[in-house]
Amino acid sequence: KAGVTQTPRYLIKTRGQQVTLSCSPISGHRSVSWYQQTPGQGLQFLFEYFSETQRNKGNFPGRFSGRQFSNSRSEMNVSTLELGDSALYLCASSFFRAQETQYFGPGTRLLVL
Amino acid sequence: GEDVEQSLFLSVREGDSSVINCTYTDSSSTYLYWYKQEPGAGLQLLTYIFSNMDMKQDQRLTVLLNKKDKHLSLRIADTQTGDSAIYFCAEKGDSSYKLIFGSGTRLLVRP
Repeated sequence: KAGVTQTPRYLIKTRGQQVTLSCSPISGHRSVSWYQQTPGQGLQFLFEYFSETQRNKGNFPGRFSGRQFSNSRSEMNVSTLELGDSALYLCASSFFRAQETQYFGPGTRLLVL
Repeated sequence: GEDVEQSLFLSVREGDSSVINCTYTDSSSTYLYWYKQEPGAGLQLLTYIFSNMDMKQDQRLTVLLNKKDKHLSLRIADTQTGDSAIYFCAEKGDSSYKLIFGSGTRLLVRP
């Protein structure tokens, strides 16, 4: 069974731009969670999507948003990029809800210049 | 609040055992996980343990849980150079939706 896939793997943007990252969960998994990983803050929860609805959100500004499609694929969007948004963005999928074991993808590394 | 702590670095010789330690504060933690991250990669789930267990063994990996002291350890037997990576401990409550991660332990295996 294929794992979690994320595209693109690497991205370079400039301040003020916006970016969209994509995540395809493991086949049959219905929940997608997003995490941000930075050297300073470590791994932090962004949000969880289930049944095309955002169920939970972490402590991030409104510039961070996302959505989930009927096939459980998810996208996250960051608008008005700041230098501090440079990070590895990890997507995790769970069979039903995020309360279950989460399996992570390879991540998208975003560099904001 | 919720907090997970790990030592930052561990260096072992190839063939030796490695023990990576983790402490957590949330007494309602139900699930405790170990993830491995290799350079430039995502998180690979290694193993997990439920809070009603005190030990779990999976091939070269042994997880020990001391719930009273809120202490979790991961022992890797016969450590290989391919085990060099960052190891993250994470905890989650029964009804919680998010993982709380430690800062990661960088394991270096010397030939």
